[in-house]
Amino acid sequence: AQRVTQPEKLLSVFKGAPVELKCNYSYSGSPELFWYVQYSRQRLQLLLRHISRESIKGFTADLNKGETSFHLKKPFAQEEDSAMYYCALVLYNQGGKLIFGQGTELSVKP
Amino acid sequence: GAVVSQHPSWVICKSGTSVKIECRSLDFQATTMFWYRQFPKQSLMLMATSNEGSKATYEQGVEKDKFLINHASLTLSTLTVTSAHPEDSSFYICSAAGQINSPLHFGNGTRLTVT
Repeated sequence: AQRVTQPEKLLSVFKGAPVELKCNYSYSGSPELFWYVQYSRQRLQLLLRHISRESIKGFTADLNKGETSFHLKKPFAQEEDSAMYYCALVLYNQGGKLIFGQGTELSVKP
Repeated sequence: GAVVSQHPSWVICKSGTSVKIECRSLDFQATTMFWYRQFPKQSLMLMATSNEGSKATYEQGVEKDKFLINHASLTLSTLTVTSAHPEDSSFYICSAAGQINSPLHFGNGTRLTVT
């Protein structure tokens, strides 16, 4: 069965510290994964898409098929990075619906 | 960029009444829209896939007679919560993609409170 797991509900770091938000997936096909971010009182926004291999707001994520992981990383966290982060797997064979992980709340302290 | 508009942003209703939530794709056509539900501090749970011109596909455990979905045009899908109860209070979010295999864009969500 398809599943996305984010093991940490809350991750708290100090400004300037490195950040890694973990995401593991279970999918029998070739996965396409995303990271979405939800700032306080705002809509869910696309942060990263693994196939584009780009860096947004200093965040990067590499798909590791061997470990079935898609961890989100940033070398130096900023206070404005505080938000909810969701890892998601898209099922194009089911109309493009997204399966979300449980979400990780990132809190960056000054 | 692609914009998805959801209305209303919040609504309070009494038990037993019905509430309609609209989801519009403002600058693109969406043959498929998705309705999610989000409880506080929890993830988004897919409720149903809304297909233009055909019946919606509901996820397991979601009552189709309680959560009526209509996707009458390529830019509008509606979710009607019928005979609402307090346990239906939640955050409802719709999403749509402009093209096949393109990322989903999300509406701002609707906060429903049933008293």
